[in-house]
Amino acid sequence: DAKTTQPTSMDCAEGRAANLPCNHSTISGNEYVYWYRQIHSQGPQYIIHGLKNNETNEMASLIITEDRKSSTLILPHATLRDTAVYYCIVREGRDDKIIFGKGTRLHILP
Amino acid sequence: EPEVTQTPSHQVTQMGQEVILRCVPISNHLYFYWYRQILGQKVEFLVSFYNNEISEKSEIFDDQFSVERPDGSNFTLKIRSTKLEDSAMYFCASSESKKSYEQYFGPGTRLTVT
Repeated sequence: DAKTTQPTSMDCAEGRAANLPCNHSTISGNEYVYWYRQIHSQGPQYIIHGLKNNETNEMASLIITEDRKSSTLILPHATLRDTAVYYCIVREGRDDKIIFGKGTRLHILP
Repeated sequence: EPEVTQTPSHQVTQMGQEVILRCVPISNHLYFYWYRQILGQKVEFLVSFYNNEISEKSEIFDDQFSVERPDGSNFTLKIRSTKLEDSAMYFCASSESKKSYEQYFGPGTRLTVT
């Protein structure tokens, strides 16, 4: 079973920052936080991952709390193409598989 | 940008028939995966494959399922005798190594069993 808790759905206005929260209170020291997204009927797409420090790439930023029990994915300027289901996943570095939960359905509103 | 491809995009088959779903992973990747997603449900891990053998498999991946890398580029999932409940989207994924942070997913094959 997934080790994370996410809101079922969220709305965000186009052009604004989308902040997607995730709780992972049972995360262990060697587990990473990953984010993937799935645009309707497509395969999941990797966004970003982190262990302890905040991370940023061309798609998003990942803010992890100091106790590592929660994190926030930030899409800085959301567009309509960011409408998707966003999955927060906790995974050991040596794990093969990805265990997907139900994710957060993000609607970007024009 | 390199990508994982899958064929066919949609496969319709009758219950009891065998189906083979095909995937071409990214060329320098060494780890290969199959996942499935029943309509409206979560993406579920089926199997991982490395060095021509199964690395890990889930409870879903029973004796009706098999995987193969028949040549240097293709990776296939075979379902021997399809059931109605096998209807789902099947995604292939690949990664450079087991410790790769990123798995690259294909666009999926929609399998409909009638």
